[in-house]
Amino acid sequence: DVKVTQSSRYLVKRTGEKVFLECVQDMDHENMFWYRQDPGLGLRLIYFSYDVKMKEKGDIPEGYSVSREKKERFSLILESASTNQTSMYLCASRTSGSYEQFFGPGTRLTVL
Amino acid sequence: EDQVTQSPEALRLQEGESSSLNCSYTVSGLRGLFWYRQDPGKGPEFLFTLYSAGEEKEKERLKATLTKKESFLHITAPKPEDSATYLCAVPRTGSARQLTFGSGTQLTVLP
Repeated sequence: DVKVTQSSRYLVKRTGEKVFLECVQDMDHENMFWYRQDPGLGLRLIYFSYDVKMKEKGDIPEGYSVSREKKERFSLILESASTNQTSMYLCASRTSGSYEQFFGPGTRLTVL
Repeated sequence: EDQVTQSPEALRLQEGESSSLNCSYTVSGLRGLFWYRQDPGKGPEFLFTLYSAGEEKEKERLKATLTKKESFLHITAPKPEDSATYLCAVPRTGSARQLTFGSGTQLTVLP
């Protein structure tokens, strides 16, 4: 079974803090994704990566950056957290041979 | 622009009362349609992939079907543990690395 893990299930941070969310997958997938999910807005793509050190902006990249130094790990960085970044953050991965994405359990981030 | 629309937004069923969820899509050249189940506070869990019109997939009480413009998730004799939000998604036109998701149907099955 594909396993995607995220570093925290729940996280509480203060406005202005730098926040790191980490995602690890164990199936040697080339592609990894970061989404946020908000009520009424559904799943929105923040960034994705199709190879180590490669990244592309999704639909809502503002206020976020990413890092992919190793194939299995994809980090989402909030440079200076703001209250409007309070959300559920979901990481996903997939192999290049398929379009199916497999999701992690999510991180519920609250920015105070 | 790609669009994925799910209906209804919410559905309440009595245990054993069969029904269907709808996912309609507009994309150029469908390269698959995916169904996910999401429990509250958790990440979406992959259920099915459908690739061509007429295809069907089954898993326990769930059956997914696909036509050229929509997909249905049929739930037969549901149980309370089937309560969840069901999402569908398609690869984006011009950027298959990305998926376009519907907003989901929140299913509640009452005992």
